Amino acid sequence: EVQLEESGGGLVQPGGSLRLSCAASGFTLGTYNMNWVRQAPGKGLEWVSFISSSSSPIFYADSVEGRFTISRDNAKNSLYLQMDSLRVEDTAVYYCAREDTSAQPFQHWGQGTLVTVSS
Amino acid sequence: QSALTQPASVSGSPGQSITVSCTGTSIILDLNNVVSWYQQHPGKAPKVIIYEVSKRPSGVSNRFSGSKSGNTASLTISGLQAEDEADYYCCAHAGSRHWVFGGGTKVTVL
Repeated sequence: EVQLEESGGGLVQPGGSLRLSCAASGFTLGTYNMNWVRQAPGKGLEWVSFISSSSSPIFYADSVEGRFTISRDNAKNSLYLQMDSLRVEDTAVYYCAREDTSAQPFQHWGQGTLVTVSS
Repeated sequence: QSALTQPASVSGSPGQSITVSCTGTSIILDLNNVVSWYQQHPGKAPKVIIYEVSKRPSGVSNRFSGSKSGNTASLTISGLQAEDEADYYCCAHAGSRHWVFGGGTKVTVL
């Protein structure tokens, strides 16, 4: 069974940093492209970042470009999102999601981890 | 404001059919067959119910169907059931593995 489990969320002050992790099980992470998607409280879904199975190419939403860094360690079956220069508007539940094909970008989702940016 | 526009809410009685629309710019939808739909129950992660405009993943009820005409994609739920009450999001490819979601539609079963 495909499972994705996010961790690393929490409360951080504006301007601070946080690193999210996504542990994959039930499949070989290195075979798949991956995405991060977020959802602000009471709001809709927003795509954040994409990373290919080989770590290149990588893409970011304009809202996080230059502040967030996506990476992966296929040997550890893990995906990461390093978030720097955090803003209040980055407050959201962050989900990792597996892409099955280029036309199936978010076929499997984790349960999400909450990031709260507040002073 | 999202590049994909969905109605904020749609409601129907059990057994009825409802349709959720998703309208975008011609760049996003007219030439784009990579449209997917996600169902999200409160406090839960989203779940894909339609991909590539009209395909259903294994295990998804055939009461869910998708279509597209011009710059509008649509999700139809037939034989509405109480368990269908949830938020629904459309999603389309915006180029270079960038993705855009609609603002979401709350489906209420009366």
